Amino acid sequence: DTGVSQNPRHKITKRGQNVTFRCDPISEHNRLYWYRQTLGQGPEFLTYFQNEAQLEKSRLLSDRFSAERPKGSFSTLEIQRTEQGDSAMYLCASSRTISAGTDTQYFGPGTRLTVL
Amino acid sequence: DQQVKQNSPSLSVQEGRISILNCDYTNSMFDYFLWYKKYPAEGPTFLISISSIKDKNEDGRFTVFLNKSAKHLSLHIVPSQPGDSAVYFCAASAVTGNQFYFGTGTSLTVIP
Repeated sequence: DTGVSQNPRHKITKRGQNVTFRCDPISEHNRLYWYRQTLGQGPEFLTYFQNEAQLEKSRLLSDRFSAERPKGSFSTLEIQRTEQGDSAMYLCASSRTISAGTDTQYFGPGTRLTVL
Repeated sequence: DQQVKQNSPSLSVQEGRISILNCDYTNSMFDYFLWYKKYPAEGPTFLISISSIKDKNEDGRFTVFLNKSAKHLSLHIVPSQPGDSAVYFCAASAVTGNQFYFGTGTSLTVIP
């Protein structure tokens, strides 16, 4: 299967702990996106990479959040000093695009974070 | 500020009939629109898209209609099948930007 994969699928942590999620995009895709989804809401944009460059960040991405895509392939999203409000589904998506704004994003299954 | 709105949280349709899911947007800069389907415990799956230069796009049983003057799009599923039961999200973006804005979703139930 060559779809977007995310690990772990579920993470339970205690408040104040750090967590890291990994996303492996579809291999030929140059763009990678992170979203957060809470119950009853649609995915909310967090950040986006074109190759290894992080080009845009949402104001939702506080300084406790950091994302990397070191070699333009997989990406990690780290949350430091987790808070209960961080509990959500974290979705990764990738796309292969020529022009901005017209790409089709393919999503992974998500990582469900629960902060106790 | 919800720039993409799906005002119907749920919809039930009999198998074989048409399902119509609606989406409204507020940002006139949006010019690319997509529909995604989501099953429980899975990520959203791309269904169909439309750019603002068109007012209709078809793919099999799925048709998306875009009314730019009303800032409204709809997804028609004909005929509806039980396997179509899922949450449907519409999303929008502007060619000048990189963000996709999603609606809150409509849960479709197709009754056999």
